[in-house]
Amino acid sequence: ETGVTQSPTHLIKTRGQQVTLRCSSQSGHNTVSWYQQALGQGPQFIFQYYREEENGRGNFPPRFSGLQFPNYSSELNVNALELDDSALYLCASSSGRQEGTGELFFGEGSRLTVL
Amino acid sequence: QKEVEQDPGPLSVPEGAIVSLNCTYSNSAFQYFMWYRQYSRKGPELLMYTYSSGNKEDGRFTAQVDKSSKYISLFIRDSQPSDSATYLCAMSAGTGRRALTFGSGTRLQVQP
Repeated sequence: ETGVTQSPTHLIKTRGQQVTLRCSSQSGHNTVSWYQQALGQGPQFIFQYYREEENGRGNFPPRFSGLQFPNYSSELNVNALELDDSALYLCASSSGRQEGTGELFFGEGSRLTVL
Repeated sequence: QKEVEQDPGPLSVPEGAIVSLNCTYSNSAFQYFMWYRQYSRKGPELLMYTYSSGNKEDGRFTAQVDKSSKYISLFIRDSQPSDSATYLCAMSAGTGRRALTFGSGTRLQVQP
């Protein structure tokens, strides 16, 4: 069983640029969530996708957007990057079988640095 | 004020000690409570899950939830150097496709 994979693992951008982060969900999982984890902080919910539709969003501006594809993989796009966007971006997948547990399967994250 | 408060530590204990990690929360709607462990440069992994109030034990780990006090705890018995990690509490108002609200994490160091 393949776990959650994310790419790229590290990247450096400058303020104002745009970035796309990618995530392949664990086999059999139809729900993908994205979290932002700043240094020394817990993950913060960005949004969730279920069967290609956005299914909930946290307190993040519209320049954070996403997609989920028919194979349940997902992208996170961030436009007009700001210095405060520097963080570890975590993708987590889950399926209906985790409905009762709240268990999310996290990838290792994409570490974004904005200069 | 954050919805979930967690002491960031770091917490340093000798091998074999009993470790107590805690979180407080303010949102009465939270019903599902989890503890995740995060090793350096890795994603979080689920350790324990508890629904509503009560205790749950799994090997050396015990999770407690006191909804009346809005307080949750994780106890680690016979701590090992391999337990050295950041421990994140997380909670949600519903299951499955609902967002989790995390604490800021407590960094634990178990000294051999």
